[in-house]
Amino acid sequence: DIHMTQSPSSVSASVGDRVTITCRASQGINNWLAWYQQKPGTAPKLLIHAASSLQSGVPSRFSGSGSGTDFTLTISSLQPEDFATYYCQQGNSFPITFGQGTRLEIK
Amino acid sequence: EVQLLESGGGLVQPGGSLRLSCTASKFTSSNYAMAWVRQAPGKGLEWVSSVDSDGGATYYADSVKGRFTISRDNSKDTLYLQMNSLRAEDTAVYYCAKYYGPGTSGGRLFDYWGQGILVTVSS
Repeated sequence: DIHMTQSPSSVSASVGDRVTITCRASQGINNWLAWYQQKPGTAPKLLIHAASSLQSGVPSRFSGSGSGTDFTLTISSLQPEDFATYYCQQGNSFPITFGQGTRLEIK
Repeated sequence: EVQLLESGGGLVQPGGSLRLSCTASKFTSSNYAMAWVRQAPGKGLEWVSSVDSDGGATYYADSVKGRFTISRDNSKDTLYLQMNSLRAEDTAVYYCAKYYGPGTSGGRLFDYWGQGILVTVSS
């Protein structure tokens, strides 16, 4: 199984800050990586697919990068609606696996 | 816009069974693989099962293999998850999710999710 490790597990930041979340896969995943945002009581929302492709309708302050085993989600200037939990997911092989999540909180 | 609507959740005793349904609309569901993903209370996301676009191939997490069965009826645009021998640790919100691209052209990534349905396994 491919293990996905996110860091940090939680982060506190202020509106306007730049935030970076990392995700490391235990083996190469051919860039089949997605980033999701989840707010309490709601379903996950796709932000980034294929490691760096911005999903339609997602603000351009979100960006993804990386290749091989190391990936990054960056929010360039935090907005109030961005405070949520973020998950990475690999879709290269079964079993599909998710990172443990990063909770982004207001400082 | 794509819509996925789950139903069939509820409270069930340990060892019992439940069948979840997910009705798709606003897209040609028969072109896409589909999946179930669950989230235990206060926990992260866990992939449960996937099925190819024509139902010919199915995949399961080890935690549910032999107890859960995924299927689909493309004539009804509906995805199912038959859950047998339920355990307390199966308690979770269950989401159905659509694969991003036809076949595996978009990897096994999910672009649309249902609102989720709660399954509680308790005596």
